[in-house]
Amino acid sequence: DAGITQSPRYKITETGRQVTLMCHQTWSHSYMFWYRQDLGHGLRLIYYSAAADITDKGEVPDGYVVSRSKTENFPLTLESATRSQTSVYFCASSEEPGLQETQYFGPGTRLLVL
Amino acid sequence: AQSVTQLDSHVSVSEGTPVLLRCNYSSSYSPSLFWYVQHPNKGLQLLLKYTSAATLVKGINGFEAEFKKSETSFHLTKPSAHMSDAAEYFCVVSGGYGNKLVFGAGTILRVKS
Repeated sequence: DAGITQSPRYKITETGRQVTLMCHQTWSHSYMFWYRQDLGHGLRLIYYSAAADITDKGEVPDGYVVSRSKTENFPLTLESATRSQTSVYFCASSEEPGLQETQYFGPGTRLLVL
Repeated sequence: AQSVTQLDSHVSVSEGTPVLLRCNYSSSYSPSLFWYVQHPNKGLQLLLKYTSAATLVKGINGFEAEFKKSETSFHLTKPSAHMSDAAEYFCVVSGGYGNKLVFGAGTILRVKS
């Protein structure tokens, strides 16, 4: 019962490089989310996906690209990394849309952009 | 639009004393409210959630929260703190299409022995 996993757990990259963060869930949840966590801001939504091939922007989407070709995977790509994208990134999933549904979080990826 | 304000960025208590973490919210909808906990270098774990049923919600590890609509508050409490409760706590409101969550900035709870 793996649940939701993220890889890599830690990543160091340089400004201008492309980086892809992976997220995989084994529950077949419809909804998946990417957040970034920065001091003083809590978690902020980057992108979310309601189902395979359906994605939408969150609060802070600039500089990021997502795709969802399979229900269980939701990769996040930084096309040209910047120092301001140094952060901890969390992936989450939930079974159905709705005000009562719990989101389940992965362990996070710590990204440092030099 | 939804928003959440956690009134204290840091709270320090002694082991065995009560815990109070304060949260006020703003929502255009009838909100669902959550408390999540994050232990150091870990992901977030759901403590409890309010979904318009009972206003007093009981969660895991002895935590509970009371929804007060008149005060737009959803404070988290625990009668007796344990060392293992030291973590960061996030108050969260949910609403609108797509089940999007809006997080507060977090409260770091320190438990002294």
